[in-house]
Amino acid sequence: DAKTTQPPSMDCAEGRAANLPCNHSTISGNEYVYWYRQIHSQGPQYIIHGLKNNETNEMASLIITEDRKSSTLILPHATLRDTAVYYCIVRGDNAGNMLTFGGGTRLMVKP
Amino acid sequence: GAGVSQTPSNKVTEKGKYVELRCDPISGHTALYWYRQSLGQGPEFLIYFQGTGAADDSGLPNDRFFAVRPEGSVSTLKIQRTERGDSAVYLCASSLRDGSDEQFFGPGTRLTVL
Repeated sequence: DAKTTQPPSMDCAEGRAANLPCNHSTISGNEYVYWYRQIHSQGPQYIIHGLKNNETNEMASLIITEDRKSSTLILPHATLRDTAVYYCIVRGDNAGNMLTFGGGTRLMVKP
Repeated sequence: GAGVSQTPSNKVTEKGKYVELRCDPISGHTALYWYRQSLGQGPEFLIYFQGTGAADDSGLPNDRFFAVRPEGSVSTLKIQRTERGDSAVYLCASSLRDGSDEQFFGPGTRLTVL
């Protein structure tokens, strides 16, 4: 699976949009971009995934560049409960593929 | 509905002892994964089950680690002759089927080897 690069930490003001970047310049054509987050002392939680089109769900939006070498996770109105480590993961659509976590971005939402 | 559960939530043991960690996946999920997370790092894959069989055990660090899933539901991760370096949070996840979009994680078992 392709490697991802994320900033180690970011701050965001409560109520503002949080934009978390991820670089995955070696992504292959059949690999998806997944985002998970991990709130302190909990297991990781799935947020969203996409292949090449932008995606939106009740939690977030995922913007993938046309060349697919980078993406941005957007939390439109961050709350204090969104404080967590956010992991960007590239994953092939093969049977049983595990998730390969990097260091993630530690997002701190401040009042 | 019930999520993935793991027991115990915390386990403290002495170097050289044997431990078992249990995972109850979401009912009906055929795929089950074990990960290990050291302090300040992301989770690392250990082993994946599809049904009762271990489809990929490439992440197990050595032969002291073993996992079973005899009836295709509950799984047990077994660690023999524990070492201080085995101290970590052990996470279990399940998904509906092979290559499913979403893995659902349990809260983890924090293992401390003294």
